[in-house]
Amino acid sequence: NAGVMQNPRHLVRRRGQEARLRCSPMKGHSHVYWYRQLPEEGLKFMVYLQKENIIDESGMPKERFSAEFPKEGPSILRIQQVVRGDSAAYFCASSERGEKLFFGSGTQLSVL
Amino acid sequence: GDSVTQMEGPVTLSEEAFLTINCTYTATGYPSLFWYVQYPGEGLQLLLKATKADDKGSNKGFEATYRKETTSFHLEKGSVQVSDSAVYFCALGGGAAGNKLTFGGGTRVLVKP
Repeated sequence: NAGVMQNPRHLVRRRGQEARLRCSPMKGHSHVYWYRQLPEEGLKFMVYLQKENIIDESGMPKERFSAEFPKEGPSILRIQQVVRGDSAAYFCASSERGEKLFFGSGTQLSVL
Repeated sequence: GDSVTQMEGPVTLSEEAFLTINCTYTATGYPSLFWYVQYPGEGLQLLLKATKADDKGSNKGFEATYRKETTSFHLEKGSVQVSDSAVYFCALGGGAAGNKLTFGGGTRVLVKP
């Protein structure tokens, strides 16, 4: 049973470009969470999704950030018009019915 | 709001030394407390947890006790190994927060042979 898969592992973007981060949850998991880790800081909750629904987006910046978890395919975290301050490690986690969280290895976003 | 404070690293130890990583928290209600570990190049893994006051979580030789009176959840291991080198995160959540966890800043531990 494969774990939570995130890709790419490393993503480099120039200011103003779009970044798309993908997360495939563990098989059978329908709950997905996105966390962001800024340099020298802990992980900060961004958004919680179930299939086709955003349950809690209280940690998402109001502009440029969006997330989806379609019926088919991975969850996508999308950052439009990236800025240097978006450089961080983005972690996805999944669970089954709100039980134990399983984390992916993260995507390191670098904005030049 | 909820917050978690843990000691800054890096912590460098020799093999078989005693490890303590301090963690204190502020929270409303009665959260569950967690320690996660991140090995190089990997995602976070749940190391142990405690769901109520005075509970002790333990796993792989690590222990932590939920102390409500001191709002602490310090991680300890009596004899570390090189393979314990990793970043350790203290977190709180559960209850109404569900899996919306609040993490500390992480403590990097390096164990030298």
